[in-house]
Amino acid sequence: DTAVSQTPKYLVTQMGNDKSIKCEQNLGHDTMYWYKQDSKKFLKIMFSYNNKELIINETVPNRFSPKSPDKAHLNLHINSLELGDSAVYFCASSQAGNQPQHFGDGTRLSIL
Amino acid sequence: GDSVTQMEGPVTLSEEAFLTINCTYTATGYPSLFWYVQYPGEGLQLLLKATKADDKGSNKGFEATYRKETTSFHLEKGSVQVSDSAVYFCALTIQGAQKLVFGQGTRLTINP
Repeated sequence: DTAVSQTPKYLVTQMGNDKSIKCEQNLGHDTMYWYKQDSKKFLKIMFSYNNKELIINETVPNRFSPKSPDKAHLNLHINSLELGDSAVYFCASSQAGNQPQHFGDGTRLSIL
Repeated sequence: GDSVTQMEGPVTLSEEAFLTINCTYTATGYPSLFWYVQYPGEGLQLLLKATKADDKGSNKGFEATYRKETTSFHLEKGSVQVSDSAVYFCALTIQGAQKLVFGQGTRLTINP
């Protein structure tokens, strides 16, 4: 009965490859998010979606393309991976407005 | 823009010591404030929240009071335990902004 689940938990791949991370929430929330956590633990918003519509794209390179097939899912596809993409990516969800966000366990992406 | 500043870490304390982690913010609107905790290898969990001035959020012995006059939301606990060792994040959201803005995180280590 995990609330926000991400797969995979670990992703190790080579520079130049394309990869996807999946996220699903079973909380009935309207809004979903992707955050990036760098090696110093700093967290920054990448995208937010409300009811399948893109609300925020926080100056993320267009190699990153989120896709929301329905309001319970928000997947992240990354093209032409670069060394600087190595990080932990967190998916989150919330009800609309300033309600608390619920986070997944993260996907640790390592680029060789 | 909106920002959150936390006290520099890491913080190391002995068990049963008093804890304060400082957090101050700047916001263009009227924010809701949160503390999140990240245990090793896990995602972020909401620890407590406050949505208006003078509100006190509390959970698991932790407390924080929303101080509008000093734009602060300091986290306190009277007697810490080894199990409190984690990274703590102060964060804010503005109504309608659809994102959390995080502080840089404070790593807390409690020694027995």
